[in-house]
Amino acid sequence: RKEVEQDPGPFNVPEGATVAFNCTYSNSASQSFFWYRQDCRKEPKLLMSVYSSGNEDGRFTAQLNRASQYISLLIRDSKLSDSATYLCVVNYGSGNTGKLIFGQGTTLQVKP
Amino acid sequence: DAGVIQSPRHEVTEMGQEVTLRCKPISGHDYLFWYRQTMMRGLELLIYFNNNVPIDDSGMPEDRFSAKMPNASFSTLKIQPSEPRDSAVYFCASSYLSGAYNEQFFGPGTRLTVL
Repeated sequence: RKEVEQDPGPFNVPEGATVAFNCTYSNSASQSFFWYRQDCRKEPKLLMSVYSSGNEDGRFTAQLNRASQYISLLIRDSKLSDSATYLCVVNYGSGNTGKLIFGQGTTLQVKP
Repeated sequence: DAGVIQSPRHEVTEMGQEVTLRCKPISGHDYLFWYRQTMMRGLELLIYFNNNVPIDDSGMPEDRFSAKMPNASFSTLKIQPSEPRDSAVYFCASSYLSGAYNEQFFGPGTRLTVL
């Protein structure tokens, strides 16, 4: 079983739609969770951290369910510029080792 | 402020040749990571350093791969001899561990093609 699993998609949605991505992780001791964004032929960049209580950044909402080892990202009012691959990321181990495990990524294509 | 710098950006080489990829992390960062990304396998961690010391090289595919970090501002990833299956994008990333927050900053990557 992969340490971080995501549905690769692609998700094809119209502008203005709401779309949700899910991710599961295998190590129950993981403490830090993130969503990274990767544009085509570019490097990954941090989109947002995921906190236990859930957090929101504009149109983006991240949720964490520790009991189910499940992370989600919700994008409201999708824009063409949201088209990218979204990577679910989990820290390795129980402490803060600096090492992150990346999921395979979910591809989003927003169409006009 | 310069981000992570990688060179070369593109490398095309023939099977059996030695390839050296270079990375300059963000000044002040104490962690450096080398990743490989392919369509089939996604983003894989190859090796990472903390304060110039290799911490975990379990992701290095085989003895053909080696990495060094002689000082805080420079690291290399070497493949010798290269094979077609090594074709991928190689990313270097750096971070500064502060509490529970450890955002990794990636370089633009080196796109390697081995013919």
